[in-house]
Amino acid sequence: AQSVTQLGSHVSVSEGALVLLRCNYSSSVPPYLFWYVQYPNQGLQLLLKYTSAATLVKGINGFEAEFKKSETSFHLTKPSAHMSDAAEYFCAVSEEGQGAQKLVFGQGTRLTINP
Amino acid sequence: ETGVTQTPRHLVMGMTNKKSLKCEQHLGHNAMYWYKQSAKKPLELMFVYNFKEQTENNSVPSRFSPECPNSSHLFLHLHTLQPEDSALYLCASSRDRGRTEAFFGQGTRLTVV
Repeated sequence: AQSVTQLGSHVSVSEGALVLLRCNYSSSVPPYLFWYVQYPNQGLQLLLKYTSAATLVKGINGFEAEFKKSETSFHLTKPSAHMSDAAEYFCAVSEEGQGAQKLVFGQGTRLTINP
Repeated sequence: ETGVTQTPRHLVMGMTNKKSLKCEQHLGHNAMYWYKQSAKKPLELMFVYNFKEQTENNSVPSRFSPECPNSSHLFLHLHTLQPEDSALYLCASSRDRGRTEAFFGQGTRLTVV
């Protein structure tokens, strides 16, 4: 079964600094990987996805992630943090189910932006 | 707006009450999901429906009873819940085939008193 590990339940950066959120996966098949963002009292919104095409994936709000097979990683980055980036971020891997696929999520990383 | 709508947004219920959560999607998807999000715990997949048929029940207690009358609607019927069932319940939908992203509703914040 696939699994996802997010290193660091809390990450704090200064406004304008680099954001790096770590995600490592375990999968017996070529993975499909996703990053979602959750703002307070909201559902999950897709930031970006990797589906075996380009290894560097660009998403919304200036975020991007790089798939590294050798490291089994899919870390999320943003060059310059903005106050509005404060949220919880989830990495997920898609697992084939009986008919419909299902997403397996990491435990989430809460990102705090300091002024 | 993700195309997935959940009602109500907030619900407070006693342990002896019966209530239902509703989810509706306007994306033409055939797969729908219930997830539970508790504080300090990962998102837990509860149920998966594909073309109205339940394909996965992740060992969920019987006090949670899902219903999928058609591919656009999903319900979660609740009865005799416990305080530890208080959580954010998220509905999602996706295409029925292939490994693809899911689209989430805004969730129902449930408090059991």
